[in-house]
Amino acid sequence: KAGVTQTPRYLIKTRGQQVTLSCSPISGHRSVSWYQQTPGQGLQFLFEYFSETQRNKGNFPGRFSGRQFSNSRSEMNVSTLELGDSALYLCASSAGTENQPQHFGDGTRLSIL
Amino acid sequence: AQTVTQSQPEMSVQEAETVTLSCTYDTSENNYYLFWYKQPPSRQMILVIRQEAYKQQNATENRFSVNFQKAAKSFSLKISDSQLGDTAMYFCAFMKPRSGNQFYFGTGTSLTVIP
Repeated sequence: KAGVTQTPRYLIKTRGQQVTLSCSPISGHRSVSWYQQTPGQGLQFLFEYFSETQRNKGNFPGRFSGRQFSNSRSEMNVSTLELGDSALYLCASSAGTENQPQHFGDGTRLSIL
Repeated sequence: AQTVTQSQPEMSVQEAETVTLSCTYDTSENNYYLFWYKQPPSRQMILVIRQEAYKQQNATENRFSVNFQKAAKSFSLKISDSQLGDTAMYFCAFMKPRSGNQFYFGTGTSLTVIP
């Protein structure tokens, strides 16, 4: 069974630009969550999508948005990039029911110049 | 709000020895789920072990075991017979029921296994 796939693996952008990250979950998984990982803050929850609907949202500004498609693939978009958005963005998928662990992708390393 | 605290930013252990990583959490929930994840330098997060709060028996997975103290809100991870491949960041995570799939993570403990 293929794991969680995130693309691209690395990305370099400049301030003010926007970016879209992609995540393909494990086959059969309906829940996709996004996290921002930085050395100082650890993993911070961005949002979760389940069956194409945002089910949970963390405390990030509206510049961070996402969506989920009917095949459960998810995209995350960040607009008007700031230097502080430099981070590893991790996607995790699960069946979406209680007690089900999340399975993570390798992440997208986003660097803002 | 749920918070997860890992008070040991860095730890080291000799190969073949035993090490314990600490995790405490704060919640008003009675039933919830706890997890330990490992993130090696390759950066992919890997599930190590999980525990349901309603189970009194501590979870065990081969060399990995937990000491779950519900009253103290403590969830420590014990790694026995440490191996070089155990070198990684370890994250403790909390999930409350009926929250969808929202996990709360600690800030991590960097473990180095010394040959």
